[in-house]
Order: sequence, then C-alpha cells, then structure tokens
Amino acid sequence: NAGVTQTPKFRVLKTGQSMTLLCAQDMNHEYMYWYRQDPGMGLRLIHYSVGEGTTAKGEVPDGYNVSRLKKQNFLLGLESAAPSQTSVYFCASSYKRVYNEQFFGPGTRLTVL
Amino acid sequence: SQQGEEDPQALSIQEGENATMNCSYKTSINNLQWYRQNSGRGLVHLILIRSNEREKHSGRLRVTLDTSKKSSSLLITASRAADTASYFCATDVLSNAGGTSYGKLTFGQGTILTVHP
Repeated sequence: NAGVTQTPKFRVLKTGQSMTLLCAQDMNHEYMYWYRQDPGMGLRLIHYSVGEGTTAKGEVPDGYNVSRLKKQNFLLGLESAAPSQTSVYFCASSYKRVYNEQFFGPGTRLTVL
Repeated sequence: SQQGEEDPQALSIQEGENATMNCSYKTSINNLQWYRQNSGRGLVHLILIRSNEREKHSGRLRVTLDTSKKSSSLLITASRAADTASYFCATDVLSNAGGTSYGKLTFGQGTILTVHP
C-alpha cells in the first residue's frame, strides 16, 4: 500500500495564479483532511471531507476550495494564489470519525511570489 | 489562541536520557493524540489516549492524561538519536451540545526534540 500520496511535492507560483493539489489514499478511508503548516503555528485545518461528495470548512478555509468526487481523492484548489498562502500543505486520511488516528502524506511545499 | 500548547518549545538531551514533553489544552476533549514529524516529512501517529484513560504505554513511550488539569505528557525513555524530531499533541474536541466529538483534530505548535549521540 502506498498510503497517502500528494502531488506535486514542490511548486512555485506567482501571485494570482491558480493550482490544484492532489491527495490520494489507497486505504479506503472515509475521512480526508487538508492542513497547512507554517513556522511556529503548528498544523491548521483548511477543509475536510467525511465521505465521497461531501466537504466542510475547517479553521482557515478562505482562499481555498476542495472537491471529493472519488472516495480515494481529495483535491485542494487555490483560485488566485497570494503570498500569505506560502506554506507546507499536508493531506491526511482516517478510517473513522471518533478515536481517529490520521495518516499523513509527505506534504507539498508551496511558495507564492 | 491555540487549543493545544506544548512545553517546552525545544528540548536537547543526550542519547540514553529520558525526554518529557507536555501539552495543555483549553476545552473538554474526546481523546488526545501524539504525533511525530521528522524534518521535511509528514506526521506519524504515535499514540492515542481516551478521555477516560489516565495512562498509556507503547514501547518506549508513556503518555499520561489529566483531564482535571487539561494536560498531557509524553515521556520517551532511553532516547536515541533517531528520536530527533518534532512532537505534536492533537486534541479531538467535544462539541458544546451533547458532548459529541467533531472528529477533527486541533494540533499544538510542537516540541522540537534533539537527541545527541
């Protein structure tokens, strides 16, 4: 099993450009999450999904959109990138809602110039 | 302000010594989890302790939870250079109504542990 994979690993964008980050998991997990990690801030939840076709806002959703068209994939979109979105983005998945150990991907390092 | 706050922010010890990290939180929880992150990598789950548990062990890891003080500690015994990493606590917060879990984790800022050979 590959676990949780993220594409791409690195990306540099100019302000105003758009991009999509792809997260894929092969563990048949219902729940998927997108976090961002900034120095000294820990991880903050952007959006999450409790199943195929459903998404919900997390702690810092502004400037991001998500889609979960297939159970194994969770996409994070930046419509118009801003320098404040420079961060490392992590995707995670879990099997159940409560007592839920989360499995993390390796991260995507995004720089917005 | 953060739901979970770790202390200390950084810890430097020699191989073979024990390392203790603390986590404090503000609101009632369903469970608390500890994760490890090696430099440039994703987080790896270490251990989960439920709100009705006081202590849990996993190999060289020992986690305690004191819900009256809203705090937890992670003890790594006989540390090794390979334990060098950042350690995060994460809380699964109960909703105000009904005491159910949101099913979302709130992460602290982490403790950077350096173990010198």
